[in-house]
Amino acid sequence: GAVVSQHPSRVICKSGTSVKIECRSLDFQATTMFWYRQFPKQSLMLMATSNEGSKATYEQGVEKDKFLINHASLTLSTLTVTSAHPEDSSFYICSAPRTDQGNGVSPLHFGNGTRLTVT
Amino acid sequence: AQRVTQPEKLLSVFKGAPVELKCNYSYSGSPELFWYVQYSRQRLQLLLRHISRESIKGFTADLNKGETSFHLKKPFAQEEDSAMYYCALSRSGAGSYQLTFGKGTKLSVIP
Repeated sequence: GAVVSQHPSRVICKSGTSVKIECRSLDFQATTMFWYRQFPKQSLMLMATSNEGSKATYEQGVEKDKFLINHASLTLSTLTVTSAHPEDSSFYICSAPRTDQGNGVSPLHFGNGTRLTVT
Repeated sequence: AQRVTQPEKLLSVFKGAPVELKCNYSYSGSPELFWYVQYSRQRLQLLLRHISRESIKGFTADLNKGETSFHLKKPFAQEEDSAMYYCALSRSGAGSYQLTFGKGTKLSVIP
């Protein structure tokens, strides 16, 4: 079953509003989570690394004031797209590493993604 | 900067035919390479990683540092292999988590 839950799966918002996306690790603790963005027919691009108890680390070119990340607990990271614009419309995916399993098991688990449409 | 190139957007093969999905990378350090797969309406999941040197679902991939390639191969394609495949690279020292992905190749296995 799923070990990383992402919510909502789809959201439509008006330009200028803010949208919050949640990423939860379901049965393990994740001190680090990762947020990716995927444009249509493009690759997944790492946006930022979410760190529990400290500030997120953003990739070059990603506006930290635009994409607010809060790692509120060991099982929850949120991405808030502030003052959304149509160009922010995209598919956002979170992932969390699971380090409590042995070799051969995937250490990185992905959420199902959130389709954001800004009108 | 690191880069992962998957030259084929779509690859169609007949059931039982061999499959090779190409992946080339560019990275100045010592990379860790992965193949991820996304089946229809499912989330992205790890297929295999080069350090494990394992075969998963009949797929293998060998890291060729001379050619900077990490092609994914399977001798006999099955219909259930139809999916989107992403090659990914992890920066050295970053563990297996901060990944750079290729654009993906959609594999279609024709019955």
